[in-house]
Amino acid sequence: GENVEQHPSTLSVQEGDSAVIKCTYSDSASNYFPWYKQELGKRPQLIIDIRSNVGEKKDQRIAVTLNKTAKHFSLHITETQPEDSAVYFCAALSNDYKLSFGAGTTVTVRA
Amino acid sequence: DAGVIQSPRHEVTEMGQEVTLRCKPISGHDYLFWYRQTMMRGLELLIYFNNNVPIDDSGMPEDRFSAKMPNASFSTLKIQPSEPRDSAVYFCASRNYNEKLFFGSGTQLSVL
Repeated sequence: GENVEQHPSTLSVQEGDSAVIKCTYSDSASNYFPWYKQELGKRPQLIIDIRSNVGEKKDQRIAVTLNKTAKHFSLHITETQPEDSAVYFCAALSNDYKLSFGAGTTVTVRA
Repeated sequence: DAGVIQSPRHEVTEMGQEVTLRCKPISGHDYLFWYRQTMMRGLELLIYFNNNVPIDDSGMPEDRFSAKMPNASFSTLKIQPSEPRDSAVYFCASRNYNEKLFFGSGTQLSVL
């Protein structure tokens, strides 16, 4: 099955700086890569996703890049704000329709 | 649409008791997933259904766990008998053909 690894496990950034989270996946057949944000006590919420036929996607301050050859993808948050503090999960969808999640990155934005 | 609806939000029970978690997926979604979230193991897929049929239950930890989907708008996850190590947040999620997965608010289960 698919195995997704996520780094770092914790990330502390100064407000206004950028944050980058990286993930690798094992199944070359995986073709869909979403990112979820989970605030304390809340449900994971989809914030951005990318499909395997696209190398980069941007939505305001967040962007995701995908390198299919190397089997890794990254989340970039620019101009971080306190409300960006949360746990972020990457995931990969393999052709058995199962979404495998990374272990999560706890992002803390320092004011 | 109200999104994926789960009940109860919190469940506290004693070891050995039966626990039933409930889920109503988003209307029109034909895939339903049950996940368990713990600090130690993260988000684990327990089982998923397609058009009400269980497709993969390889993540169900033991025979104490069972799940059903009697119709397109309702699913249950049952633990019988419950044990303290079952304490976790259980999420139900649903999606349709476009692959975007939406989670319910979760059930915080505490087994004493």
